[in-house]
Amino acid sequence: DAKTTQPPSMDCAEGRAANLPCNHSTISGNEYVYWYRQIHSQGPQYIIHGLKNNETNEMASLIITEDRKSSTLILPHATLRDTAVYYCIVISNFGNEKLTFGTGTRLTIIP
Amino acid sequence: GAGVSQSPRYKVTKRGQDVALRCDPISGHVSLYWYRQALGQGPEFLTYFNYEAQQDKSGLPNDRFSAERPEGSISTLTIQRTEQRDSAMYRCASSPAGPSYEKLFFGSGTQLSVL
Repeated sequence: DAKTTQPPSMDCAEGRAANLPCNHSTISGNEYVYWYRQIHSQGPQYIIHGLKNNETNEMASLIITEDRKSSTLILPHATLRDTAVYYCIVISNFGNEKLTFGTGTRLTIIP
Repeated sequence: GAGVSQSPRYKVTKRGQDVALRCDPISGHVSLYWYRQALGQGPEFLTYFNYEAQQDKSGLPNDRFSAERPEGSISTLTIQRTEQRDSAMYRCASSPAGPSYEKLFFGSGTQLSVL
């Protein structure tokens, strides 16, 4: 059963903000939202995570709706190097769980 | 080492042969994960270890696949009697103790081709 739903692909102009949506309507109270990305043939790379509050780090911002049923990853000033597949993952922090990647969103930054 | 190291980088084998894929995690990392990734798909979980104990092997597709981590460091994923459908990128990841998904680092992977 897929815990998250993401659009298969998106385009964004270079220099603009890229907003990647994720639906997780069955998220439970102890589950976090994690975002990873995978650039070309590299391994997945952690971006950001959150529980219910909005989060920001040097890479991105994460906006989680009040009901926690959806979230948006924001890359504020997209560059060509941000072209990648972005995965939204819901998982608890109790441990002994594995990260389950779906098919993600293929983000293409347009020059 | 500085990162997760996997070897070989590429492996071409004939159907029916056994292959062993190696993963050397980041020094001190307790948890080690194996994933498989087909072209155009997200990584698919295979198995994971905490120290030398295999905690979850639910993702191993069948009994031709096995993994070990005897000393809690280097891990080997073995595929016996390889089949063409086993062709994929095999990725290893490691993280420190506890639920540390933000500190999960992946290696460059081993690209397996079964002819």
